[in-house]
Amino acid sequence: AQSVTQLDSQVPVFEEAPVELRCNYSSSVSVYLFWYVQYPNQGLQLLLKYLSGSTLVESINGFEAEFNKSQTSFHLRKPSVHISDTAEYFCAVSDRVTGFQKLVFGTGTRLLVSP
Amino acid sequence: DADVTQTPRNRITKTGKRIMLECSQTKGHDRMYWYRQDPGLGLRLIYYSFDVKDINKGEISDGYSVSRQAQAKFSLSLESAIPNQTALYFCATSGGTGRTLYNEQFFGPGTRLTVL
Repeated sequence: AQSVTQLDSQVPVFEEAPVELRCNYSSSVSVYLFWYVQYPNQGLQLLLKYLSGSTLVESINGFEAEFNKSQTSFHLRKPSVHISDTAEYFCAVSDRVTGFQKLVFGTGTRLLVSP
Repeated sequence: DADVTQTPRNRITKTGKRIMLECSQTKGHDRMYWYRQDPGLGLRLIYYSFDVKDINKGEISDGYSVSRQAQAKFSLSLESAIPNQTALYFCATSGGTGRTLYNEQFFGPGTRLTVL
């Protein structure tokens, strides 16, 4: 079975500052890793995913995450945040056998960007 | 129009009542899922279905049942609602074959359920 730990429940940051949202996972098998974003009063949207290949993956809105197998981490970073990045961010994992069939989510990190 | 729709969007009910949450999708996906979201707990899988004849329990299925009426419709029922089922419920879909099997899950807008 897999599990995901997001240690920070809330991360306050000023606009244009860098941010890192931490995600660690536990699994006895190889995994796929995902970050989802939930804007206020909306469902979840996929932000980025690691399936294979390059361990650094990027989203279209400037976020990136790096898969670190030795540290079992998949931290999300952005060099300069905007007010519009205020949302809740969920890290998720699935094993390579079931793939996307069953996602295990972390408890979420609320990113609060202020002027 | 949204690809994954959920009805109702908000519902307040009383303990002991039967309630059904409905999910419809126009994405042509064969896989559908029901999750509940609670503050501080993230999303937890209730049930999932890989096709019309395949229904599987997730990690928190007790107190819930589902029906896959068609490829595009997946309903979640609470036979006798209780207050600790107060939560935000999400339906999701995924599909594809081969490498596209590992495409994303697409989420509906959610149903906020309050059980008094």
